[in-house]
Amino acid sequence: DADVTQTPRNRITKTGKRIMLECSQTKGHDRMYWYRQDPGLGLRLIYYSFDVKDINKGEISDGYSVSRQAQAKFSLSLESAIPNQTALYFCATSDPHGNNEQFFGPGTRLTVL
Amino acid sequence: QQQVKQSPQSLIVQKGGIPIINCAYENTAFDYFPWYQQFPGKGPALLIAIRPDVSEKKEGRFTISFNKSAKQFSLHIMDSQPGDSATYFCAATSRENAGNMLTFGGGTRLMVKP
Repeated sequence: DADVTQTPRNRITKTGKRIMLECSQTKGHDRMYWYRQDPGLGLRLIYYSFDVKDINKGEISDGYSVSRQAQAKFSLSLESAIPNQTALYFCATSDPHGNNEQFFGPGTRLTVL
Repeated sequence: QQQVKQSPQSLIVQKGGIPIINCAYENTAFDYFPWYQQFPGKGPALLIAIRPDVSEKKEGRFTISFNKSAKQFSLHIMDSQPGDSATYFCAATSRENAGNMLTFGGGTRLMVKP
């Protein structure tokens, strides 16, 4: 979905490195989310934000941090990457006045060696 | 422990077949059950959704069947086509969940052979 963009699309890094994944949206939605996708485990919520001043931990926040720089931007950081953080990462947005639908970006494939 | 369990993990059918993907949930507060479709290299996108006040919902070739007493719901794809090959995720949430928080199943990779 071109309305939600993620950069980079692919990243290979080494254990211990700090990594930032970025998400931007033009939908004008207040709510933004970060998920990771692993085979057989579906999508698991890392962090979510209801507006610029609101940040909340999700199901699997350990080892991750986020920053909501503006309504349209929500970044995910891995302070010290480890191999089990190798996964597909998705950003999503939703409209609080909508029908519960979440709109996903194209994903970032992260490999930690 | 997943609150939404999805099966099977993978499924192969011939063109024209009717693949069925099943999900079971535990939280009785869930009252909105969407299905998301994900093509390779893309993010998931909403396909169809149901609320528990109805037992079935159809949109084109896609049908959700819902069994509230059994806490189960399933996706049926009629006259499946190779273009339906994708990963499908069921999900659930509740109206009490002000953050539109979705709990996802583990996903089913569907392949429709020509």
